[in-house]
Amino acid sequence: EAQVTQNPRYLITVTGKKLTVTCSQNMNHEYMSWYRQDPGLGLRQIYYSMNVEVTDKGDVPEGYKVSRKEKRNFPLILESPSPNQTSLYFCASSPSLGQAFYGYTFGSGTRLTVV
Amino acid sequence: DAKTTQPNSMESNEEEPVHLPCNHSTISGTDYIHWYRQLPSQGPEYVIHGLTSNVNNRMASLAIAEDRKSSTLILHRATLRDAAVYYCILREMNYGGSQGNLIFGKGTKLSVKP
Repeated sequence: EAQVTQNPRYLITVTGKKLTVTCSQNMNHEYMSWYRQDPGLGLRQIYYSMNVEVTDKGDVPEGYKVSRKEKRNFPLILESPSPNQTSLYFCASSPSLGQAFYGYTFGSGTRLTVV
Repeated sequence: DAKTTQPNSMESNEEEPVHLPCNHSTISGTDYIHWYRQLPSQGPEYVIHGLTSNVNNRMASLAIAEDRKSSTLILHRATLRDAAVYYCILREMNYGGSQGNLIFGKGTKLSVKP
């Protein structure tokens, strides 16, 4: 089944403890992206990647890192999480960013709580 | 990206058609109109997209005004499972870089009554 898989689904952590949220897609998509969703603020893009080794900042990149060493994986790294990063995170992929007629496939989400 | 305007919320009865409007008066000739929906506790889900002509798929229909300044997502027979937030998004065609990213607005929250 074609899908985007995020892990973990739920995570509670403490301030300052480094964590990684994994994202993997099995559709050979070039483009991947991370969003966060907060009440009243909607979905906001954190980082995106147009292909292997090519990443760029979205609207809210502060406090996050990403890497794209292989096509299928796009992990989101929080090196020193803070409570304001408590949010619902979604990973998405698409065949190509440059072609607007492709739809995105989203993962099921990771609910992160930083205490 | 050009901006879209949608009602904050709409209500529908089960098994009746639903017309979800979207205004995009500043749309450019190269913008595709995309619709996504987000069911409770799930990630957004692609619904349909179009450029100029009306489009149909198994989930919905998309009616695009002749001047392209507005569009309507049509659910032909609403079910309880269609209760979700529906997002109308414009995406530029054949652009690299951040212009082609999917930028979400607030969307329309659709409630479906039994």
